[in-house]
Amino acid sequence: NAGVTQTPKFQVLKTGQSMTLQCAQDMNHEYMSWYRQDPGMGLRLIHYSVGAGITDQGEVPNGYNVSRSTTEDFPLRLLSAAPSQTSVYFCASRPGTGETEAFFGQGTRLTVV
Amino acid sequence: AQSVTQLGSHVSVSEGALVLLRCNYSSSVPPYLFWYVQYPNQGLQLLLKYTSAATLVKGINGFEAEFKKSETSFHLTKPSAHMSDAAEYFCAVSGRGGAQKLVFGQGTRLTINP
Repeated sequence: NAGVTQTPKFQVLKTGQSMTLQCAQDMNHEYMSWYRQDPGMGLRLIHYSVGAGITDQGEVPNGYNVSRSTTEDFPLRLLSAAPSQTSVYFCASRPGTGETEAFFGQGTRLTVV
Repeated sequence: AQSVTQLGSHVSVSEGALVLLRCNYSSSVPPYLFWYVQYPNQGLQLLLKYTSAATLVKGINGFEAEFKKSETSFHLTKPSAHMSDAAEYFCAVSGRGGAQKLVFGQGTRLTINP
């Protein structure tokens, strides 16, 4: 049972480069989200999706783009990387909202130089 | 919108001592509340959650938390700390109804002294 799988685990980008962080879940969860984790700031929501074809912005969406063409996949695109986007990124999925538990991937550590 | 505040970014206790990690929420109606734990270089995993079935919630690894509406709190406790409890702990909140987002606090790093 894979759960939530994120790739890559580590990435170094140069300022201005673009890339896509991959996230896949095999639990048939409707709700998926992307967070970034920075020291002293906890996890901040970037984008989320309540189902295939439906996405919405979280609290820190600028510089990121998402799409949800299937239930399983929820990629996060960095359009033009900036040093401020150096962070650890986590993808999470939930079977629904409200009281349901979120399941997290192992994270992607991104450094922008 | 719901939010949570964790008091204390770093807590240090001795092995065998009581662990108390504080979390206060802000919401117009009692929300759903969660505690997650993150071990070094890993993702987050659920410790326990409050869903209004009982105000005292027991979780994994001997942790428990009590929902207190009058204090808008959901503090995490463990009677006797173990070295393996060293980790970062996050309180999170989700509202009721609709596409409610899961919002996290700033996190508390727990250090256990031998």
